[in-house]
Amino acid sequence: DVVLTQTPVSLSVTLGDQASISCRSSQSLEYSDGYTYLEWYLQKPGQSPQLLIYEVSNRFSGVPDRFIGSGSGTDFTLKISRVEPEDLGVYYCFQATHDPYTFGAGTKLELK
Amino acid sequence: EVKLVESGGGLVLPGASLKLSCIVSGFTFSDYWMRWVRQAPGKGLEFIGEIKPDGSKTNYAPSMKGRFTISRDNAKNTLYLQMSSVRSEDTATYYCASLYDWGQGVMVTVSS
Repeated sequence: DVVLTQTPVSLSVTLGDQASISCRSSQSLEYSDGYTYLEWYLQKPGQSPQLLIYEVSNRFSGVPDRFIGSGSGTDFTLKISRVEPEDLGVYYCFQATHDPYTFGAGTKLELK
Repeated sequence: EVKLVESGGGLVLPGASLKLSCIVSGFTFSDYWMRWVRQAPGKGLEFIGEIKPDGSKTNYAPSMKGRFTISRDNAKNTLYLQMSSVRSEDTATYYCASLYDWGQGVMVTVSS
């Protein structure tokens, strides 16, 4: 199975700071069709997860442009350029390239 | 407005069977792959499986294969998760999801 390693496990930030989360895969996530099926989700406290980014860098409808996904192959990053209060919660990366699909363990973004 | 509403959860005895449902509205259900994901209390997200838009293909996480069955009824805009021989480690909130949207989740507790 593909293992997604997220770092850091937790991240303490000041509002307005930039935050960066890494997701490293045990195998390349580029599928045979040329696409890379790497997604990022945010789960706010007490809520369902919500999609932020799909196919590495495509922002879902309504997601602010301060969320930027990047990467290729086995290394991926989610950057939040200016953290706002509504950005706090747990971030998960997820790969849908290799069966079985897998989630990273999560990164908790909290206030310093 | 997109809505995914899960139902069918509750307290079940070890070894029992349970069928979860997810009724979808606000998008063309029959066009989308659909997923089930679960989250044990205080833990991260775990992929259960997915089903093709026409229901002809399913993929499962190895730990779920054989005990869990995903199906769909496109005429009823409904996704199902049949769970059998449940055990305490199946205690979790179960979410149905498309790529873009998630339900609010339904809690399943396995206990004698």
